[in-house]
Amino acid sequence: GAVVSQHPSWVICKSGTSVKIECRSLDFQATTMFWYRQFPKQSLMLMATSNEGSKATYEQGVEKDKFLINHASLTLSTLTVTSAHPEDSSFYICSAREWVRRGNEQFFGPGTRLTVL
Amino acid sequence: AQSVTQLGSHVSVSEGALVLLRCNYSSSVPPYLFWYVQYPNQGLQLLLKYTSAATLVKGINGFEAEFKKSETSFHLTKPSAHMSDAAEYFCAVTLTGGGNKLTFGTGTQLKVEL
Repeated sequence: GAVVSQHPSWVICKSGTSVKIECRSLDFQATTMFWYRQFPKQSLMLMATSNEGSKATYEQGVEKDKFLINHASLTLSTLTVTSAHPEDSSFYICSAREWVRRGNEQFFGPGTRLTVL
Repeated sequence: AQSVTQLGSHVSVSEGALVLLRCNYSSSVPPYLFWYVQYPNQGLQLLLKYTSAATLVKGINGFEAEFKKSETSFHLTKPSAHMSDAAEYFCAVTLTGGGNKLTFGTGTQLKVEL
């Protein structure tokens, strides 16, 4: 149990376009979802935390108008990279938590590779 | 604020040899500690976690880690390396009741040689 999926697994887009990444908890209800960004050969950096039905909380230095996060249901969160530019190219990973039954453990998705040309 | 430091960005061992990946943490309150493994172009898989119960934690794939408060360490070990263990390993910390934000170390790339 505790499977998290992401779609798409990879995406290539032109500079200036917007890209939406979906994160789904397949077999549990995720009260909280997290979005991370990972540059090549580097660690994961938390971008934002989203609770179902609430506005996301962004980490310092992350532009909320650039990275739109929606967590409209207990099984789905989306990250939209607006007006993407080459510097937004990265590996984006989401995770999900179900506090009541699973405590503080986060379950990670397989990641989405974004390449902006 | 919490943090973790992973000593050694690259570790190379022979197949069958002991694996030791180092992690030291800094935390003002009792931490929860995690080790994750990441294979290329994949997400993170939890190996094991410490949540203030037993100090010696056993995880999947033969890995274990020991929480040592006096040394503020949570090193990951495996008695005998296998080729399939080659991957990136991340140590992470979160504070109890701290909103569950995970802070990751910089990662250690494990290479297993024949």
